[in-house]
Amino acid sequence: AQSVAQPEDQVNVAEGNPLTVKCTYSVSGNPYLFWYVQYPNRGLQFLLKYITGDNLVKGSYGFEAEFNKSQTSFHLKKPSALVSDSALYFCAVRAPGAGSYQLTFGKGTKLSVIP
Amino acid sequence: SQTIHQWPATLVQPVGSPLSLECTVEGTSNPNLYWYRQAAGRGLQLLFYSVGIGQISSEVPQNLSASRPQDRQFILSSKKLLLSDSGFYLCAWSKTRATNEKLFFGSGTQLSVL
Repeated sequence: AQSVAQPEDQVNVAEGNPLTVKCTYSVSGNPYLFWYVQYPNRGLQFLLKYITGDNLVKGSYGFEAEFNKSQTSFHLKKPSALVSDSALYFCAVRAPGAGSYQLTFGKGTKLSVIP
Repeated sequence: SQTIHQWPATLVQPVGSPLSLECTVEGTSNPNLYWYRQAAGRGLQLLFYSVGIGQISSEVPQNLSASRPQDRQFILSSKKLLLSDSGFYLCAWSKTRATNEKLFFGSGTQLSVL
């Protein structure tokens, strides 16, 4: 069975500082990995994904994530945080293969960027 | 461009009453469709997914059911709601048969069962 762990319920960072939101995963085979962001009372918005290739993936709003196979991690990063980045962030994993539609989400990490 | 509509945005229902949440997608054909539930303080739980009209897969045994009467319409139902059915329900779609594709989410329905 596939699973995702986001070890931090909340991350606080000062505006302008770099931010990291952590994610580790467990899946059979090479994973498909995703990050989504959710603003209050809204649906999730796609940020970025890793399928194959370069371990550093760049996405929307200046976010990037690094796939580390040996550590089974896919941490989300941004060089300089904005107050508007404050939201709930979800990491998700899907096992590759035909018929594999189950996208498993972590419990989410609340990011607060302090002015 | 593709859009996804989900309604209602908020719903308060008494225990034992029926439920019908509707989701429609525009601008694409034969999408994969999904219903997720997000409980307070927890991650998203996949409830149902559908790869075509009339084809429904259930991921978790529960008090809910789903139907896909048309290609771009996905309905979540219950005959009798339980308190534990409260939560934030999200509909989503992705491109057909592509398991590496991202999901597009609706804006969600906050269901409170009292």
